[in-house]
Amino acid sequence: AQKVTQAQTEISVVEKEDVTLDCVYETRDTTYYLFWYKQPPSGELVFLIRRNSFDEQNEISGRYSWNFQKSTSSFNFTITASQVVDSAVYFCALSTYGNEKLTFGTGTRLTIIP
Amino acid sequence: EAGVAQSPRYKIIEKRQSVAFWCNPISGHATLYWYQQILGQGPKLLIQFQNNGVVDDSQLPKDRFSAERLKGVDSTLKIQPAKLEDSAVYLCASSFDRGDTEAFFGQGTRLTVV
Repeated sequence: AQKVTQAQTEISVVEKEDVTLDCVYETRDTTYYLFWYKQPPSGELVFLIRRNSFDEQNEISGRYSWNFQKSTSSFNFTITASQVVDSAVYFCALSTYGNEKLTFGTGTRLTIIP
Repeated sequence: EAGVAQSPRYKIIEKRQSVAFWCNPISGHATLYWYQQILGQGPKLLIQFQNNGVVDDSQLPKDRFSAERLKGVDSTLKIQPAKLEDSAVYLCASSFDRGDTEAFFGQGTRLTVV
């Protein structure tokens, strides 16, 4: 069975600060995918990134970066120089090869204080 | 490209009543998902369709929930009779095909059962 844990329920930071959202996952499968989604107040889930289990390279996209470490089963997400528009609930999710079902964590509510 | 469309956005019903939600996926997407998101939790898959066939409905409470995708395009999810614990946001998502793990989500239908 798959499990995703996001221990941080809520985080508040002042604008322009850096913030890291933690994600720890469990799976017995050797091939799997990890995701981050953003859920703004409007409700839809916005896809941010997908990584497969064979690619442990960290990734940077603008102010966003992701750190994938198989040794600790973690896939953490960092926002650099946070902005008010980053305020949302962020979900980490997992799927396994051949099964597209997403297993989500409970989410981290991020509030950026102007 | 139009996104995943869902209606209604909000619905309030009394317990034991019935309700139906509608979803129109992105044009050309063969795979369609319904997720249930209870307040404070991550989304949980209810049912997955591939064209008009069911791939996974293992977490669908079949005594009260039903879903169909008769022509392999839009889909309806029905609850009959509703219980208080069905209060949640119901999210529809679609992807191009099985194995395409990038799913696009609609804005959801927020159901309140009183």
